[in-house]
Amino acid sequence: SYELTQPPSVSVSPGQTARITCSGDALPKKYAYWYHQKSGPAPVLVIYEDSKRPPGIPERFSGSSSGTMATLTISGAQVEDEGDYYCFSADSGGNQRVFGGGTKLTVL
Amino acid sequence: EVQLVESGGGLVQPGESLRLSCAASDFTFSDYVMGWVRQAPGKGLEYVSVISGTFGITNYADSVKGRFTISRDNSKKTVYLLMNSLRDEDTATYYCVKDIRDESSGSDVGFDVWGRGTKVTVSS
Repeated sequence: SYELTQPPSVSVSPGQTARITCSGDALPKKYAYWYHQKSGPAPVLVIYEDSKRPPGIPERFSGSSSGTMATLTISGAQVEDEGDYYCFSADSGGNQRVFGGGTKLTVL
Repeated sequence: EVQLVESGGGLVQPGESLRLSCAASDFTFSDYVMGWVRQAPGKGLEYVSVISGTFGITNYADSVKGRFTISRDNSKKTVYLLMNSLRDEDTATYYCVKDIRDESSGSDVGFDVWGRGTKVTVSS
């Protein structure tokens, strides 16, 4: 079955750049989507189609994809950016859709 | 404001069934793929299923295939998830989700709007 691999945790100081990666064999052909979840509430979409930012998402959030890796970058991370980040994509046939295992971002 | 409101969660015993509903508002419901994502307590997000808007084409995660059935009623702007033969490992919060692009775009499926979730507990 298809898998997306994320690092379990990333830690940065406030104001630093945080980078969270997502690795998957089909990422050269399929878009990556990124979600942020703080404990409790439903996830929020922060990046779609590799690099597009939804309305209301701060400009410090950006995304890129190269080869089999997609990257979420938070430039100048803030304390409120802490939480879990998940990537989402599909296999090359579009039949298996999966989330990555999630990355816990700590900003302190 | 685009909104998704789930209902139907609860406590059931292993082997029993449950049907979740998700009422949508403020968008052209029939134009969009809709789906369900779940999250077990303390765990990550897990894709469950999606259904296309016009023709009702469905897709399921392997973990629920053959046990869960997704359906929709475009006239009621509602999507359903019928869960049969429930197992302890199906215990989770179930989120209703909406695709970011309308079906005519032909783009990959990705979810921009999430409901608040409904809890399903499977336990004897």
